[in-house]
Amino acid sequence: AQSVTQLDSHVSVSEGTPVLLRCNYSSSYSPSLFWYVQHPNKGLQLLLKYTSAATLVKGINGFEAEFKKSETSFHLTKPSAHMSDAAEYFCVVSRFGTYKYIFGTGTRLKVLA
Amino acid sequence: NAGVTQTPKFQVLKTGQSMTLQCAQDMNHNSMYWYRQDPGMGLRLIYYSASEGTTDKGEVPNGYNVSRLNKREFSLRLESAAPSQTSVYFCASSEARYGGRNFTGELFFGEGSRLTVL
Repeated sequence: AQSVTQLDSHVSVSEGTPVLLRCNYSSSYSPSLFWYVQHPNKGLQLLLKYTSAATLVKGINGFEAEFKKSETSFHLTKPSAHMSDAAEYFCVVSRFGTYKYIFGTGTRLKVLA
Repeated sequence: NAGVTQTPKFQVLKTGQSMTLQCAQDMNHNSMYWYRQDPGMGLRLIYYSASEGTTDKGEVPNGYNVSRLNKREFSLRLESAAPSQTSVYFCASSEARYGGRNFTGELFFGEGSRLTVL
């Protein structure tokens, strides 16, 4: 069975400081992993995806994530937070052939001026 | 390129009324999904359609029905709405195989439909 855990429900950072949003997954097979962002009253937008052998994945808006199989983690980072990064972020795991995507419960990022 | 289009964006129903949420995608994806989003619970899968002509239950199918009308369209019906179905509903589509390899493609989402049942 697959599962995903987002370790923090809320994260606050100051503008210009690094962002770290943590995600751990459980999967019996090689997973596909995704991070999505949702701004208030909007749909979900893909930030980045892990679907290849490259363990460091770069996404949009300066975000990146590193796939660490030994730690079963896929943490999302950004070197310098911007006010526009304030949103909710979802980590998602899927396994090829299952047509199932398992969502974490989300991390709400607050960026302080 | 519209991507995934959902209608309506907002709806208020009374308990017991019925309604259908419509979804269409123009990306020629095989798989389509209906999720509901509730505070603190992430997104939960209601139904999905792996390909045209097939539908399957997700985590929370009770009280809902779906129809995969053709490859583009996947509708969600509430036959007798209940206050517990007050939620934001998202339709999504994906291509099962990414880049010809055995990795799942990403989900593409609509803007959501906010449903309130009184």
